[in-house]
Amino acid sequence: DIQMTQSPSSLSASVGDRVNITCRASQSIRSNLNWYQQKLGETPKVLIYAASSLQSGVPSRFSGSGSGTDFTLTISSLQPEDFATYYCQQSFSIFTFGGGTKVEMK
Amino acid sequence: QISLKESGPTLVKPTQTLTLTCTFSGFSLSTIGSVGWIRQPPGKALEWLALIYWDDDKRYTPSLKSRLTITKDTSKNQVVLTMTNMDPVDTATYFCARGAQQQVAGWWYNYMDVWGKGTTVTVSS
Repeated sequence: DIQMTQSPSSLSASVGDRVNITCRASQSIRSNLNWYQQKLGETPKVLIYAASSLQSGVPSRFSGSGSGTDFTLTISSLQPEDFATYYCQQSFSIFTFGGGTKVEMK
Repeated sequence: QISLKESGPTLVKPTQTLTLTCTFSGFSLSTIGSVGWIRQPPGKALEWLALIYWDDDKRYTPSLKSRLTITKDTSKNQVVLTMTNMDPVDTATYFCARGAQQQVAGWWYNYMDVWGKGTTVTVSS
């Protein structure tokens, strides 16, 4: 099984901050990495697929990078609507989610 | 417009079998695509469970494979997930979602692009 480890598990940030969330795979998954956003009480929404491709309709302040085992989701300037929990997901071998990163208001 | 909706019991007893139905619209599983199931225990992370492709190929998470069965009824636009021997630790919101594929630089990549709102299942005697 491929394990996905996210860090940090939570972070506090202010509107306008640049936020980085990392995700590490237990083995190489090439670029088969997706990022999802889940707001409290809502359904997950895909932000990034194939490690760095922005899903249609997602604001350009979201970006993804990395390949192999190490990946990063970056929010270039945090907006009020971005306070949420973020999950990475590998799709190299079926699917596995990371443990999530909760982005909270400082 | 693509939508998915989960249905099933809200309460099951330990050792019972859970049957959940995902009814979808706006796409068909007859010639392309996939539908998967994901769950989320209260206050915890997402856990991917199972996926079925249009050609009836099936995938399961290894840790639960012995307890899960996924099937589809293309004529009804439904995907059904059964989970046997339910336990209180299986208490969760269960989501179904459409599998999407995109080609990037010559390679195909998979992700879940449209999700249902989820159905909450409590396991308790």
